[in-house]
This record gives sequence, C-alpha cells and structure tokens, in this order.
Amino acid sequence: QKEVEQDPGPLSVPEGAIVSLNCTYSNSAFQYFMWYRQYSRKGPELLMYTYSSGNKEDGRFTAQVDKSSKYISLFIRDSQPSDSATYLCAMSALTNAGKSTFGDGTTLTVKP
Amino acid sequence: GAGVSQSPSNKVTEKGKDVELRCDPISGHTALYWYRQSLGQGLEFLIYFQGNSAPDKSGLPSDRFSAERTGGSVSTLTIQRTQQEDSAVYLCASSFYRGSSYNEQFFGPGTRLTVL
Repeated sequence: QKEVEQDPGPLSVPEGAIVSLNCTYSNSAFQYFMWYRQYSRKGPELLMYTYSSGNKEDGRFTAQVDKSSKYISLFIRDSQPSDSATYLCAMSALTNAGKSTFGDGTTLTVKP
Repeated sequence: GAGVSQSPSNKVTEKGKDVELRCDPISGHTALYWYRQSLGQGLEFLIYFQGNSAPDKSGLPSDRFSAERTGGSVSTLTIQRTQQEDSAVYLCASSFYRGSSYNEQFFGPGTRLTVL
C-alpha cells in the first residue's frame, strides 16, 4: 500500500463549480502538506502548503488538513477553465522536510 | 529570474545505451532533487542532495541509476544500459534549505526519456 493515496479521477466539472480534491496518508510523521498544480508537459508548481492541521485559504483555493483522519483536501471555488491541470498532493515529515512523498495526481478538466 | 532548467527536453535512445540528464538549479538553492514521473503517475523520488551532506539515494530503483552534483550546483542523472521501463519524464527540483521548516521545491520542465 502506498504511503499517500489520491483519488485518481479524472474529474470533469462545468465552469463555476466547486471542486474537491482529496488525499489520504498512512505515515503519522507527516507534518507538511502540499498541493502542486501541473499543467501538461510542465513541471509541478506549488499551489499551497499547510503545516500540521487546519485550514488555509488563498483566493479561490482552500486547503484542509485533518491529521486525526489522515486526510487532506483542496477546494477550488468558482472553478475556471484555466484550472484544468493535474493536481498532486505531497507530504513530508518534520525530521526530513526536504523529502516529499507525492500522490499520483488527479486530472481536472473545467469545461466552459 | 531564471528558474530550474533541464536538458535535453526530450531524449530518445535505444535499449542498452547510457544517457545523461542535466539539471541547473536556481542559483543559491542548496538542495536538489530528482524525481521520475511515469505516464499518468505521480512523482517517484529518486535522489536528494543537500549542501555537502551525503546524498539520500534511497529512491534510486537500481544500480544502473546514479547522480552527481558538482560544485554544489549543476547535477547530472546517469542511467546506464537503459531499459524500456526507464521511459518516463525525469524532473529536477531545487530549494533553499531551511532546516526543519518546509522547503518549497521549484521544478524544472523535465526531460522526457523514451527508450526504444
């Protein structure tokens, strides 16, 4: 079993919809939780990161971490066609913050 | 400013040949990472360099894979005797190491390797 499991998708939504992307993990040592966005044939870029539990909001994006359930989510409000990409969750432990474990990614398509 | 660059962007090789992939990190970044991404898959960690410390090679899939980082900057990932299952996108990332604080990784565009 993988340390990080991500809903495989693909996900297709109409423009303006609220999107929910999720990951679960098994390693209780993970303290940093990241979401990366990857456009086709590009490298991933960091979208948001959260330390430990709680919520973090940045514009239309909200990241949630529930460490008791080992479950993280990324919500996208008012989704736009430009949000169409693959979203990867990633996690790292405090003792080895440089080494991240990634999920397999969820491909999102937002249709105009 | 310049981001992480990788070369070549595409590489097609024959089974059994050796290949070298290059990564130029962001200037001043002390940490450098190599990942492999197979079609439709997430990122598979390969190796991690941090400053002058011994690299973390725990992700290298076999002894055909090796990497070096010269002068704390440019890195080369070498795959010897390539196999078809080595076909993937090889991504490099760099970060400024901040100890136990999270280190944002900045990724290059990747090298797409195809082994025929």
